[in-house]
Amino acid sequence: QSALTQPRSVSGSPGQSVTISCTGTSTDVGDYNYVSWYQQHPGKAPKLMIYDVSKRPSGVPDRFSGSKSGNTASLTISGLQAEDEADYYCCSYAGSYTFGVFGGGTKLTVL
Amino acid sequence: QLQLQESGPGLVKPSETLSLTCTVSGGSTSSSSHYWGWIRQPPGKGLEWIGSIYYSGSTYYNPSLKSRVTISVDTSKNQISLKLSSVTAADTAVYYCASTPVTVTVFSLHQIEYYFDYWGQGTLVTVSS
Repeated sequence: QSALTQPRSVSGSPGQSVTISCTGTSTDVGDYNYVSWYQQHPGKAPKLMIYDVSKRPSGVPDRFSGSKSGNTASLTISGLQAEDEADYYCCSYAGSYTFGVFGGGTKLTVL
Repeated sequence: QLQLQESGPGLVKPSETLSLTCTVSGGSTSSSSHYWGWIRQPPGKGLEWIGSIYYSGSTYYNPSLKSRVTISVDTSKNQISLKLSSVTAADTAVYYCASTPVTVTVFSLHQIEYYFDYWGQGTLVTVSS
């Protein structure tokens, strides 16, 4: 059982928007603005997409955005493209130098 | 641009110690810029942070693995290493090396930015007799 809860799967058509939720507790997501999101294509290493809840690293399209409300963080992908089909993992700092607790991952299917 | 490369045995016997090395290029393990760590992913499952180490030797571990894990840094070789003892089949996973940025403030405080910015390609370790 993962520390953070994500839906197992989401789907959307090209050009649409999808949102992936990530629910934690008041001791991780709810207590720190250290939520990050990672994209993982099959057989590849995860790639950082969002950090500090809503910041995008250089090179990540602005179609990817993050937000947080209470104990739940969200990743929104707008203008879906075929290459966005991948697994997405959320991660949060959990205090006491526990660098990251991850969600179980969400498989995004672009229809 | 940092590059991380994991290496080590792909097969380990139950009850033995898993040992992996991560070689860093494009940066230095003796720099204050990053913590260097390990994350694993069992086949078909999610990610789990194992632990991270700083150039100073400051080390933090996942509480669930702490009793079996040792992470060390060899700045002369620009490498970090992972040792996981008393392994079982549950430790079968792809093991990733990953970096966490550190910001040094004007007051010389080392602020850990809790995310993983660079990742190695990963190496599969299977625990089986």
